[in-house]
Amino acid sequence: SQQGEEDPQALSIQEGENATMNCSYKTSINNLQWYRQNSGRGLVHLILIRSNEREKHSGRLRVTLDTSKKSSSLLITASRAADTASYFCATDGSNTGKLIFGQGTTLQVKP
Amino acid sequence: DAGVIQSPRHEVTEMGQEVTLRCKPISGHNSLFWYRQTMMRGLELLIYFNNNVPIDDSGMPEDRFSAKMPNASFSTLKIQPSEPRDSAVYFCASTGISDGYTFGSGTRLTVV
Repeated sequence: SQQGEEDPQALSIQEGENATMNCSYKTSINNLQWYRQNSGRGLVHLILIRSNEREKHSGRLRVTLDTSKKSSSLLITASRAADTASYFCATDGSNTGKLIFGQGTTLQVKP
Repeated sequence: DAGVIQSPRHEVTEMGQEVTLRCKPISGHNSLFWYRQTMMRGLELLIYFNNNVPIDDSGMPEDRFSAKMPNASFSTLKIQPSEPRDSAVYFCASTGISDGYTFGSGTRLTVV
C-alpha cells in the first residue's frame, strides 16, 4: 500500500507557535498533497507538491518532500486557533488522480 | 461555483433499507471519487470515475454497494440492503487533471 502515515497522531500547541506534521509513504509517487478537515466538514485542499519538487510555500504553510526517504512534512507557522483541525497527507502514485489518504494528525491550537 | 454538492447531508435509515447518496461534481472536472470515513478505518476510497467511466471499484466493500455516473454532472452511491456497519460519513470529491481534490460536505449515514 502507498498509504501515507502521519506523525504525530495528535498535536497540541499554543497560538503563535509553529506546528510540524510529518507524513511517510511506501511506494513511489507522482505527487503528494495535504488537506485540512475541520470537525464535521469535508476536506479542503491545502497544497500539492510534485515528486520533482523539494519545497513549496503557500502563505503560512511550508511543505517539504524527500523522495529518497519517502517522507514529507507540513509546517504551519505562527499558528492560530482557527488552524485547529485534522491534517491529512495523500499520495498519488498512479498518475490517475487516485489519492490514498493517511490517518491524519489532529492539531489543537490553544488561544 | 457552488463546489461539490452532496445530498442528503444526513440520512438515518433502518437496517435492510436501500440508501442512495447523490453527488454533483464541479463543472469541468473529469474525475469523481467516493470515499467513506470512519474513526476506525479513516478515509477509504470506494470507487472512482474518469470521464464518467468507473475506473477502479476495488474499494467497494461488498456487492451491496453500487455506484453510477450517468453523466458528467451527477453520480450516485447506492447501498442495498443497508447494515449498521455501513454507518459512516460518505464523501464525494472531484478533480481536474493535476489539481487537488474538491470535496463535498459529506453525507452522514446512520443505519439503525
